[in-house]
Amino acid sequence: QITLKESGPTLVKPTQTLTLTCTFSGFSLSSGGVGVGWIRQPPGKALEWLALIYWDGDKRYSPSLKSRLTITKDTSRNQVVLTMTNMDPVDTATYYCARGPTIPIFLDVWGQGTTVTVSS
Amino acid sequence: DIQMTQSPSTLSASVRDRVTITCRASQSISSWLAWYQQKPGKAPKLLIYKASSLESGVPSRFSGSGSGTEFTLTISSLQPDDFATYYCQHYNSYSWTFGQGTKVEI
Repeated sequence: QITLKESGPTLVKPTQTLTLTCTFSGFSLSSGGVGVGWIRQPPGKALEWLALIYWDGDKRYSPSLKSRLTITKDTSRNQVVLTMTNMDPVDTATYYCARGPTIPIFLDVWGQGTTVTVSS
Repeated sequence: DIQMTQSPSTLSASVRDRVTITCRASQSISSWLAWYQQKPGKAPKLLIYKASSLESGVPSRFSGSGSGTEFTLTISSLQPDDFATYYCQHYNSYSWTFGQGTKVEI
């Protein structure tokens, strides 16, 4: 059974850096073609893709947020970490991680999401 | 950047209705399109990938079609469990873009 779970702070202050961890099981991020992505959803709004990391360490970022995002993986710990700098209240959202099983990657299994509020 | 536009934004329907949601891409995306279902407070669930391939475990009343710039998701006979918001998503090796969503309501 494949599962993913997001963890991190529920509240961050403006200008702070957000660090989110996706811990997964049931698959290996060293398997060819596999990727893990991050997606967010502001309250009442649509889904927005943020970043993705491939099994080989290749990384992709949303062009509009690229300067603020860093995605890394720890294959031995089955974790993917997303950092987002200079947080703003408009970044308040539920953040999801999800698996992509093959290239090109669609997202077949999602975590339950973690809600992050940006407020002073 | 490729833009994905869904229509309608909201759709009112009844149980057993045939429902069609459209997704248009700003340029050709071949068949690299997925459809997701999302219920309130829940994570999205994959329904369709590569425009028309049904994800394992998804009821056969869901189907997808299209290629290039125009795609459709069809629910052949709407069931009570299908009232939700549906998103299309373009995917390739470099970027992933979601549509704005279609809410299917009673």
